[in-house]
Amino acid sequence: AQSVTQLDSQVPVFEEAPVELRCNYSSSVSVYLFWYVQYPNQGLQLLLKYLSGSTLVKSINGFEAEFNKSQTSFHLRKPSVHISDTAEYFCAVRSGGYQKVTFGTGTKLQVIP
Amino acid sequence: EAQVTQNPRYLITVTGKKLTVTCSQNMNHEYMSWYRQDPGLGLRQIYYSMNVEVTDKGDVPEGYKVSRKEKRNFPLILESPSPNQTSLYFCASSLNRGDEQFFGPGTRLTVL
Repeated sequence: AQSVTQLDSQVPVFEEAPVELRCNYSSSVSVYLFWYVQYPNQGLQLLLKYLSGSTLVKSINGFEAEFNKSQTSFHLRKPSVHISDTAEYFCAVRSGGYQKVTFGTGTKLQVIP
Repeated sequence: EAQVTQNPRYLITVTGKKLTVTCSQNMNHEYMSWYRQDPGLGLRQIYYSMNVEVTDKGDVPEGYKVSRKEKRNFPLILESPSPNQTSLYFCASSLNRGDEQFFGPGTRLTVL
């Protein structure tokens, strides 16, 4: 079985401040990990993913996430947020050999001017 | 343009009246999936399909049916909708099971 935990349902942060959105997963086998972003009234779109190789992955808009196998985490970080980053962020996991994709409950990032 | 389309985008119906939400993708993807999104619960997988005529249950399949007769289409069927199926539904597709998923714009369903 696999599961994803996003402990923070809402994260308010001032513009240009750093942010970390936490994601922990549970799986007994190798994993593929994803962060998706959902802007208001839109569908989800991929932000970044870890499939294999380098444990630090980056997106084109300044976000990064690090796969930490020992802590079973895949936290999302950005050193300086912008108003346009206001959205809901979902962490997702798919375990090797397992067909289902499991999403976390989401974290709403609110960037305050 | 590569995309996943869903229809209708909004639907209000009554308990027990059968409905179908269509999903189509133009990327020749093998893997397709349906999710429902509810406040505080995130996205939960209803059904998925790994290829034509190959479907399987996700985490919340009760009350739903799917079919995959063509690679591009993956309709979601509610044969007897109930109010607890009021939700925001997303269809998604990926080239294969390990890849990122491309999501449709969502269908907001209200069952009275």
